[in-house]
Amino acid sequence: EVQLVESGGGLVQPGGSLRLSCEASGFTFSNSWMHWVRQAPGKGLVWVSRINSDGGSTTYADSAKGRFTISRDNAKNTLYLQMNSLRAEDSAVYYCANFGRSIWGQGTLVTVSS
Amino acid sequence: QSVLTQPPSVSAAPGQKVAISCSGSSSNVESNFVSWYQQLPGTAPKVVIYENNKRPSGIPDRVSGSKSGTSATLGITGLQTGDEADYYCGAWDHSLNVYLFGSGTKVTVL
Repeated sequence: EVQLVESGGGLVQPGGSLRLSCEASGFTFSNSWMHWVRQAPGKGLVWVSRINSDGGSTTYADSAKGRFTISRDNAKNTLYLQMNSLRAEDSAVYYCANFGRSIWGQGTLVTVSS
Repeated sequence: QSVLTQPPSVSAAPGQKVAISCSGSSSNVESNFVSWYQQLPGTAPKVVIYENNKRPSGIPDRVSGSKSGTSATLGITGLQTGDEADYYCGAWDHSLNVYLFGSGTKVTVL
């Protein structure tokens, strides 16, 4: 079955860090560009970051630059998002997605609050 | 960063049709593929149209996509209660070097 499964979300204090993971199965992960997208409660979709198939090229939204790092381990079929210096406005459901194959994960909730 | 412009809501009776517009610019909608996403309440987004007008397997042919210049349109005919959802367009912007989503449109079946 083709799927993406996110994990790693939770409650974190402002200024804290969190690492999200996204495990892929059912398709050739190592050939795929991958993305992170987030959605704050009651709000629309916002693109966060992307990474190319070998991890050598990354792109970020302005809101993520300097604080978030996208990476991947093709041997483990896993995508990551390291989030540092978290703010209340980073609270959202975070989805990983393969745009090329139209696959989205179910999302993991990140709540930044004291 | 900017978003693509969609109407906040559209509605129609069961069996009727709706069209959702997505307005962008030369650096996104006009020059890159547009995708459309359906999001049912409490669930993850699902692709209903990719590469402007292609349907993933399992999406009925009642759903269609088109593009002209800086605007794209999602059409749904034979509207059903199961079509009630939020719909988003999306496209890469090569000037900003980011992926942009539309502001979202809520479809209501009257």
